[in-house]
Amino acid sequence: AQSVAQPEDQVNVAEGNPLTVKCTYSVSGNPYLFWYVQYPNRGLQFLLKYITGDNLVKGSYGFEAEFNKSQTSFHLKKPSALVSDSALYFCAVRDIGAAGNKLTFGGGTRVLVKP
Amino acid sequence: EAGVAQSPRYKIIEKRQSVAFWCNPISGHATLYWYQQILGQGPKLLIQFQNNGVVDDSQLPKDRFSAERLKGVDSTLKIQPAKLEDSAVYLCASSFPRGVAGAGNEQFFGPGTRLTVL
Repeated sequence: AQSVAQPEDQVNVAEGNPLTVKCTYSVSGNPYLFWYVQYPNRGLQFLLKYITGDNLVKGSYGFEAEFNKSQTSFHLKKPSALVSDSALYFCAVRDIGAAGNKLTFGGGTRVLVKP
Repeated sequence: EAGVAQSPRYKIIEKRQSVAFWCNPISGHATLYWYQQILGQGPKLLIQFQNNGVVDDSQLPKDRFSAERLKGVDSTLKIQPAKLEDSAVYLCASSFPRGVAGAGNEQFFGPGTRLTVL
């Protein structure tokens, strides 16, 4: 069975400082990994994904994530956070070998960027 | 490009009543998903359709939940009868099926329907 852990319920950071949101995963085979962001009263928006290739993935709004197979991690990063980055962030994993396209989501991390 | 449409956006019902949610996926997306997102948790897949066939409904409480996608486009999720613990946001998402070159398989989500069961 596949699973995702986001160990921090909330991350607080000052505007202009680096932002990191942690994610670790567990799959039986090779993973597809995703980050989504959710703003209040809205659905999830896709940020970036790791499928194969370069371990450093760049996505929307200046976000990037690094796939680390040995540590089974896929942490989301942004070099300089903006107040508008305040939202709920979800990491998700899919086992490449699994049938269908089922995503398993982590519990989410709330990011609060203070001016 | 139009996104995933859902209606209604909000619904309040009493326990034991029935409710239905509607979803219209992005044009050309053969795969459609319904998720349940309880407050403070990540989305949980309820059911996945490929065209009008069910791929995965292992986490759908079939004694009270049902879903259909008769023509392979729009979908309806129904709860009958509703319980207090069904209070959640119900998200619909769509994607290209696996193997479509360049699709990447990310899922596109609608705004959700917030259900409150009193």
